[in-house]
Amino acid sequence: EAQVTQNPRYLITVTGKKLTVTCSQNMNHEYMSWYRQDPGLGLRQIYYSMNVEVTDKGDVPEGYKVSRKEKRNFPLILESPSPNQTSLYFCASSLGSAPHGGLFFGSGTQLSVL
Amino acid sequence: AQKVTQAQTEISVVEKEDVTLDCVYETRDTTYYLFWYKQPPSGELVFLIRRNSFDEQNEISGRYSWNFQKSTSSFNFTITASQVVDSAVYFCALSGSGGYQKVTFGIGTKLQVIP
Repeated sequence: EAQVTQNPRYLITVTGKKLTVTCSQNMNHEYMSWYRQDPGLGLRQIYYSMNVEVTDKGDVPEGYKVSRKEKRNFPLILESPSPNQTSLYFCASSLGSAPHGGLFFGSGTQLSVL
Repeated sequence: AQKVTQAQTEISVVEKEDVTLDCVYETRDTTYYLFWYKQPPSGELVFLIRRNSFDEQNEISGRYSWNFQKSTSSFNFTITASQVVDSAVYFCALSGSGGYQKVTFGIGTKLQVIP
């Protein structure tokens, strides 16, 4: 089954404790990206990747890191999480090196930073 | 910079009514892409449709239809004979062309269909 898999689904952590949210897709998509969803703000793009080793900032990259060492994986790293990073996070992928074909989303990760 | 505005934050309709969700966008690109996504109460995000800036033909898919008008920078979504299963948050989104691969979403319109 074609899918984007995010883990974990729920995560509660404390300020400053490094964490990684994993994202993997099995559709051989080149484009992958991360979003955060906050009430009243919709979805905002954090980082995106057009292919292996090619990443760039979205609209809200501060406090986040990403890497794209393999085509299928695009982890989101929070080196020192803070409470303002409490949010619902989505990973997505798209065929081609751009999002123009439409995004396929993971199930989301609800992160709470205490 | 690109921008997407969904002015309707919440809409309630009675089942079987028609409803239109508005989306207005801003971009300097001449080639761009517009999208609609659905987020039902279960939380997943589902791709509904894509339109590129050169294709202004309206599209109909069952009870769903989309009206793209470049002259007014709008990409509106109409649900005909709404059903309870249509209750969801609907997001309009925009992506540019060339090397600019960002995707900008609107804040979403929450649609409640009342039985």
